[in-house]
Amino acid sequence: EAQVTQNPRYLITVTGKKLTVTCSQNMNHEYMSWYRQDPGLGLRQIYYSMNVEVTDKGDVPEGYKVSRKEKRNFPLILESPSPNQTSLYFCASSPLSGTSTYEQYFGPGTRLTVT
Amino acid sequence: LAKTTQPISMDSYEGQEVNITCSHNNIATNDYITWYQQFPSQGPRFIIQGYKTKVTNEVASLFIPADRKSSTLSLPRVSLSDTAVYYCLVGAPGAGSYQLTFGKGTKLSVIP
Repeated sequence: EAQVTQNPRYLITVTGKKLTVTCSQNMNHEYMSWYRQDPGLGLRQIYYSMNVEVTDKGDVPEGYKVSRKEKRNFPLILESPSPNQTSLYFCASSPLSGTSTYEQYFGPGTRLTVT
Repeated sequence: LAKTTQPISMDSYEGQEVNITCSHNNIATNDYITWYQQFPSQGPRFIIQGYKTKVTNEVASLFIPADRKSSTLSLPRVSLSDTAVYYCLVGAPGAGSYQLTFGKGTKLSVIP
């Protein structure tokens, strides 16, 4: 089954404790992306990647890091989480092929709480 | 990236046709219009995409007038299961940037 998986699905942590949210896709997609979703603000892109070792900033990259060492994986790293990073996070992937890039497959989401 | 404007929320009764309009006044020549649907507690899912005139699939229809400054997502005979947030995106992947901007979406509530 074609899918994007994220782990963990739920995470409660404390300010300053480094964490990583993993994302993996099994569709051989080149394009992968991370979003955060907050009430009243919709979906905002954090980082995206067009292929292995190629990443770029989205609308809200501050406080986040990403890496793309393998095509299927795109982890999101919070080096020193703060309470304003409490949010619902989504990973997505799509082919890097014209308009198909906008036909993204989303993961189930990771709800992060930073206290 | 073209900025989009959608109504924050809409209500509809079951069985009615629902039209959600997205305004994108500064759409560029190469931009496409894409709509997503997000059910509560789930990630968004792609539903339809178009460039001009009309596109129809098993889920919805997308109407784009000649000036392309707006688009309308049409859901025929909605049911309770169509309650979701609908997002409009405008852009041309590869035309300078692969950044995607979703905006705030329209929350559709279907009433029995």
